[in-house]
Amino acid sequence: SAVISQKPSRDICQRGTSLTIQCQVDSQVTMMFWYRQQPGQSLTLIATANQGSEATYESGFVIDKFPISRPNLTFSTLTVSNMSPEDSSIYLCSVVWLNTEAFFGQGTRLTVV
Amino acid sequence: AQKITQTQPGMFVQEKEAVTLDCTYDTSDPSYGLFWYKQPSSGEMIFLIYQGSYDQQNATEGRYSLNFQKARKSANLVISASQLGDSAMYFCAMREEGGGADGLTFGKGTHLIIQP
Repeated sequence: SAVISQKPSRDICQRGTSLTIQCQVDSQVTMMFWYRQQPGQSLTLIATANQGSEATYESGFVIDKFPISRPNLTFSTLTVSNMSPEDSSIYLCSVVWLNTEAFFGQGTRLTVV
Repeated sequence: AQKITQTQPGMFVQEKEAVTLDCTYDTSDPSYGLFWYKQPSSGEMIFLIYQGSYDQQNATEGRYSLNFQKARKSANLVISASQLGDSAMYFCAMREEGGGADGLTFGKGTHLIIQP
């Protein structure tokens, strides 16, 4: 299995600022995924972070708002830019392991005030 | 159309009873995987069980089993001998593997409460 460390675990941010979330995996993985879970809702895929190429974004999510870095096979960051209260959510990174398991980091609980 | 449908927003079950959480899916991809997760109030996503579209047998992991009915596009989670610690949100998810790079699509979840 893969162990994922995500930080920060929670933050309270002022509107208009940006927050960068880090995700570290204990094994090399080809693809890492970023999800958003709005309050009381299910998880929605934001983007796939590919090592060596630009991230692939899902409909409704854009690079200017959610820039992603993937400098190597064990690390990725997601930035939430120019935040508004509507960005208050849990953000989670995930990896698919051997195509039969998908593990998640502990999540970052973001509150924008 | 929703790709993953969980029709039970909430369930109350007596401790030690078996629980079935419903999940139906929609895909035209012949190669896909189905996942179940538990999310306690702490917010972490705990992987429970996986079923591949080509798997002949239903997946089992301890007290968890997956009732996979491919023709009905159904992948219900069965929890045997429920415990108070099973109280949580449960999410069904699917990964369509034909494209090779897709993340998971989640259902809306079922809030399970185990009563003593």
